[in-house]
Amino acid sequence: NAGVTQTPKFRILKIGQSMTLQCAQDMNHNYMYWYRQDPGMGLKLIYYSVGAGITDKGEVPNGYNVSRSTTEDFPLRLELAAPSQTSVYFCASSLTTGNQPQHFGDGTRLSIL
Amino acid sequence: DAKTTQPPSMDCAEGRAANLPCNHSTISGNEYVYWYRQIHSQGPQYIIHGLKNNETNEMASLIITEDRKSSTLILPHATLRDTAVYYCIVREYGGATNKLIFGTGTLLAVQP
Repeated sequence: NAGVTQTPKFRILKIGQSMTLQCAQDMNHNYMYWYRQDPGMGLKLIYYSVGAGITDKGEVPNGYNVSRSTTEDFPLRLELAAPSQTSVYFCASSLTTGNQPQHFGDGTRLSIL
Repeated sequence: DAKTTQPPSMDCAEGRAANLPCNHSTISGNEYVYWYRQIHSQGPQYIIHGLKNNETNEMASLIITEDRKSSTLILPHATLRDTAVYYCIVREYGGATNKLIFGTGTLLAVQP
């Protein structure tokens, strides 16, 4: 089972560049999430989606954009990379209803120099 | 969602039970307690969750006090591979977004 797959695993960007972090899940989960984790800190929610075509902001959405055109994919876009966006990014997914746990990918380590 | 308080770090001897405490004194009646862990450089891994009854699965046991203001995650026979940061999270059951709010967790170091 692939579960939640994130690409790339590592990336270095220059200030002002843009990039898209990819996230795909094969569990037919409706809910998907993007988190960031700074060194020594817990995860913070950036954006989430409750289904294709529906997205909403989390705790720290500034500087990011998302789209959800299919159930499987939930890409995260950085338009103008800034040093403050250096972090580890995790994507997660869960079933729609009840108290289902979230399943996480292995993360993308992003450095902006 | 209610906030949680966890000790920043704990040690445990290999083969012994690890008991990780969590305070959630402002928890409301419809909020569940979830536990996740994060092994170095990996994504968080779901462990267990519960509402008010004690729960057990193949990974751990969850003991919730009668007033639900605190809980304890028990790893019955800790191994070196259980060294990780453990997060205690409370979340509203059936919440529209299923969001999780992570704190800084407890770093459990299992010693040989």
